[in-house]
Amino acid sequence: DSGVTQTPKHLITATGQRVTLRCSPRSGDLSVYWYQQSLDQGLQFLIQYYNGEERAKGNILERFSAQQFPDLHSELNLSSLELGDSALYFCASSKTGGSYEQYFGPGTRLTVT
Amino acid sequence: DAKTTQPPSMDCAEGRAANLPCNHSTISGNEYVYWYRQIHSQGPQYIIHGLKNNETNEMASLIITEDRKSSTLILPHATLRDTAVYYCIVRVVGNAGNMLTFGGGTRLMVKP
Repeated sequence: DSGVTQTPKHLITATGQRVTLRCSPRSGDLSVYWYQQSLDQGLQFLIQYYNGEERAKGNILERFSAQQFPDLHSELNLSSLELGDSALYFCASSKTGGSYEQYFGPGTRLTVT
Repeated sequence: DAKTTQPPSMDCAEGRAANLPCNHSTISGNEYVYWYRQIHSQGPQYIIHGLKNNETNEMASLIITEDRKSSTLILPHATLRDTAVYYCIVRVVGNAGNMLTFGGGTRLMVKP
C-alpha cells in the first residue's frame, strides 16, 4: 500500500459526459501528479501540482483539467469524453516538487462507452 | 533527457537473481537513474535510484557502470510476485516539473 488513495476504482460512462477523479496523496506529500495509461500510448504524464499550484504540464488535453485543494487532495476533471479517453488514470505523490521518488495510487479505470 | 534502452522481455527462475540491464549511453553528469516497476495494471512502484555509486535497499540493488552509460537492477532472490514490467528512467533532479517518462520497459517473467 503506497498510502495514495484514488476514487473511484472503476467508472463507466458514456461519450460526451464529464467525470471527476479524486486523489489523496500520502501524508506529508506536497506534490501530486496525474498519469494516463492506455493500451496504445503506455504511461503518459498529464499534469503536476505542488502545494496547490500547477508545476508542470504534459500532453493533457484541453478537455481535461485538474486542481489541488488546500488540504492537498487533487481532482482530475475529464469532460466531453470520447471513446479514446478510456484508460487507467494514476495519481502519484511526492514529498517535494523536485522528486522523482513518486508513490502511485491504485488507479481509476475509466471506460467510455 | 537521456534515452534509455531496455530488453523488451526477460525470464528468471524463482529464487535466482534477476539482473535487468538498462543502457543510457547519452546520460549527462547531473542525471539520475531511477527504476520503477508495474505489476499488472497496478500503480507503478518506486524501486531505487542512483547517481554514480551503487545503491542497495530492501527491494533491490542498483549497479551503475563507472562511465555511467549503463546500469543493472538486481533482484537478489526473485519470487513469482516480482513478475512485472520494469522501467529504467533517467532524469535531472531539480526544481522544474518532475514528470516521469516511461518507455517500454522490460517485462520480467519469474518462473517456478
